[in-house]
Amino acid sequence: SQQGEEDPQALSIQEGENATMNCSYKTSINNLQWYRQNSGRGLVHLILIRSNEREKHSGRLRVTLDTSKKSSSLLITASRAADTASYFCATDVSGYALNFGKGTSLLVTP
Amino acid sequence: DAGVIQSPRHEVTEMGQEVTLRCKPISGHNSLFWYRQTMMRGLELLIYFNNNVPIDDSGMPEDRFSAKMPNASFSTLKIQPSEPRDSAVYFCASSSWTGDSPLHFGNGTRLTVT
Repeated sequence: SQQGEEDPQALSIQEGENATMNCSYKTSINNLQWYRQNSGRGLVHLILIRSNEREKHSGRLRVTLDTSKKSSSLLITASRAADTASYFCATDVSGYALNFGKGTSLLVTP
Repeated sequence: DAGVIQSPRHEVTEMGQEVTLRCKPISGHNSLFWYRQTMMRGLELLIYFNNNVPIDDSGMPEDRFSAKMPNASFSTLKIQPSEPRDSAVYFCASSSWTGDSPLHFGNGTRLTVT
């Protein structure tokens, strides 16, 4: 069953700009994860934020979590052409499996 | 670390034929997942194995789908008989599931049923 829903569905920016993607979900979660998928490849884990955390950083990535609003955001700073990909949020509600949204397609142009 | 290995990468078959997708998880991982990805429905969890035992198969669409994990290093997803609506990308993922462990995905099998 689908839990997370990303917004926007598609985003086009220029290199050097920041990209922000949002995720909303419906039920209580144990943690929320963000994944990236390049065309024709599998998903790659980017970052995990636990339900008791509000913000997390990893390199150029910043993730926030607001459990009262059941929402999360992923910020990619100083974007590069290589960041072009689809980005998915995934929620852990069961303790063993992840439910994925449909993703945000990010295009970064030089 | 070779990652999760799936085969074949592409499969084209005719309606009614049997299809078998294969997966080799990362060594040492005790959890294995099969997902299906389509434009319309996104990523759907089909089945989850823990220590080679199927724990949750509620996502398997119907009896035409079956999955096995005979040992810790191999799993199969079989569709018999296949139908055009089964066309999708099928992903296998593994993890050392401790609650906070990420999933490691293979590169998927793109299935086309004509």
